[in-house]
Amino acid sequence: DTEVTQTPKHLVMGMTNKKSLKCEQHMGHRAMYWYKQKAKKPPELMFVYSYEKLSINESVPSRFSPECPNSSLLNLHLHALQPEDSALYLCASRRRLAAQETQYFGPGTRLLVL
Amino acid sequence: AQRVTQPEKLLSVFKGAPVELKCNYSYSGSPELFWYVQYSRQRLQLLLRHISRESIKGFTADLNKGETSFHLKKPFAQEEDSAMYYCALSLTGKLIFGQGTTLQVKP
Repeated sequence: DTEVTQTPKHLVMGMTNKKSLKCEQHMGHRAMYWYKQKAKKPPELMFVYSYEKLSINESVPSRFSPECPNSSLLNLHLHALQPEDSALYLCASRRRLAAQETQYFGPGTRLLVL
Repeated sequence: AQRVTQPEKLLSVFKGAPVELKCNYSYSGSPELFWYVQYSRQRLQLLLRHISRESIKGFTADLNKGETSFHLKKPFAQEEDSAMYYCALSLTGKLIFGQGTTLQVKP
């Protein structure tokens, strides 16, 4: 398996709902990322997990809660979101080979908050 | 501060014309630079990395440390090259993206 997968593809939620986004990779990569991408803008880094530990939190509001249950899985728990949180949420994993690092991206979850 | 600049939001060319997407970076160390491409409704994909000096889909990019640039070039654009292109700088496990350039190749 040489891809990052994300579920669901689309998600519509109300501001009082609780939902979760899921990301999976079986490439043995030990760093995983969550990004938020608005239309025609570059991805914005939210969180980085390295060896299942949170290593970077880019001052993301607490209504977004990441979780890394094991080296292959990354979740993003959503609660009490705002309409401005509507975006494409991308997961990525990072390969390190001979001191070179490459990030591989999933297809994203398109989130609409009503 | 480390920064990646892509000065053109939109680049529109005709099929068969040469293409150059500009990327300038600001970084005092030895940079690790990438070009990513995002086709409509597809995932962000790695196109090129400067270290490997390869050519993918006819695209090449050369790192010019003197001009702090990493421009993406293709001699003859194809319609299927139409996409959003992001230049990115890798820094301590993070990617710093430019704002992106939409390439539109007209028939």
